[in-house]
Amino acid sequence: ELKVEQNPLFLSMQEGKNYTIYCNYSTTSDRLYWYRQDPGKSLESLFVLLSNGAVKQEGRLMASLDTKARLSTLHITAAVHDLSATYFCAVDIKAAGNKLTFGGGTRVLVKP
Amino acid sequence: KAGVTQTPRYLIKTRGQQVTLSCSPISGHRSVSWYQQTPGQGLQFLFEYFSETQRNKGNFPGRFSGRQFSNSRSEMNVSTLELGDSALYLCASKGHPAQETQYFGPGTRLLVL
Repeated sequence: ELKVEQNPLFLSMQEGKNYTIYCNYSTTSDRLYWYRQDPGKSLESLFVLLSNGAVKQEGRLMASLDTKARLSTLHITAAVHDLSATYFCAVDIKAAGNKLTFGGGTRVLVKP
Repeated sequence: KAGVTQTPRYLIKTRGQQVTLSCSPISGHRSVSWYQQTPGQGLQFLFEYFSETQRNKGNFPGRFSGRQFSNSRSEMNVSTLELGDSALYLCASKGHPAQETQYFGPGTRLLVL
């Protein structure tokens, strides 16, 4: 059974500093996703990572994938208050019909 | 292009009742998936539909069912509601199952009393 673990579960950040969220998964997957969720809102797609060594960046967020280690990281550079949200990673396996298996989420709070 | 829409947005039911939730995917999208989000269990996959056929089903009891219509709109039904069914139900659409990104709707928040 595919399992996805994120850590930390909660991250209190100071504005201007850098932080990393980790996502480990238990079996080979085809795609790794990062989503953002604001309180009471739906999921917003941030990145899709398809291959080993893939790196994608958008603004202060950068995601990378190491398929050999079954590890993805979401790096936040110079945190700002607007980045406060819960971040989820998810993986899917095409053979399993594209169902997403989500990590437990990392709640991020950026303090001034 | 309009996003994924879900109706109703909020719903209050009592134990034992049944409920039907609706999802309209992005125009042209034919793949629809449903997820349940609760504080305790997190985000869990319910079902995936493509071209009116269920392609995959998560580990939920038979009280949870779904269907997809020829216009790609999807409904999910929960019968004999239990308190534990209180959750945010999210629908997501893709153009085709092989495509990379799913687009999520705003969700239906169900409260079972």
